[in-house]
Amino acid sequence: AQKITQTQPGMFVQEKEAVTLDCTYDTSDPSYGLFWYKQPSSGEMIFLIYQGSYDQQNATEGRYSLNFQKARKSANLVISASQLGDSAMYFCAMREGAYGQNFVFGPGTRLSVLP
Amino acid sequence: AAGVIQSPRHLIKEKRETATLKCYPIPRHDTVYWYQQGPGQDPQFLISFYEKMQSDKGSIPDRFSAQQFSDYHSELNMSSLELGDSALYFCASSLDPRQLANYGYTFGSGTRLTVV
Repeated sequence: AQKITQTQPGMFVQEKEAVTLDCTYDTSDPSYGLFWYKQPSSGEMIFLIYQGSYDQQNATEGRYSLNFQKARKSANLVISASQLGDSAMYFCAMREGAYGQNFVFGPGTRLSVLP
Repeated sequence: AAGVIQSPRHLIKEKRETATLKCYPIPRHDTVYWYQQGPGQDPQFLISFYEKMQSDKGSIPDRFSAQQFSDYHSELNMSSLELGDSALYFCASSLDPRQLANYGYTFGSGTRLTVV
């Protein structure tokens, strides 16, 4: 079964607008971490934001915020004030367990920011 | 700040050849992970090392092997290359996750392997 689901293969957003990228996950482990990574066309994987399963507040990092709804097992990424440089693939990933060794990635969402 | 260094950035090999990819983790990071990302795919976990010992194994083919050396750098050795091995290979490093639960990874820029 797919552990990370990203239902939007592609998204378009107008420059300066906000956009939400969806991510739902599946785990029975009470301890886990959720991550978002950005992969531009150059290929490198850039860490954006992290949310721990026990964190009480939603994570924020500059223009990025994570809408964490634990009961619904969703961890949507919100990008405010989109910029042209935000055009990239975005991967949601999960690390299970307090000592989880590896990530499971979702299929990714390709975001295109329009001028 | 120093990042994870991977070499080479690009590699072209013929079928049935061998390839060696190198990964130099962030200083003081003792755990290294390898991922394979095929064209249009999400990254898939291959293998990880902690303190020079294999700590976890994912979908790594038997034709591949890897090790971590005393300076914590790691090498992924790929033999009898197939066209399907063409992919972006990422290395990531972290401090021992048993010490810092839910600690994040830092990925290298990847090695793009093309098998022709």
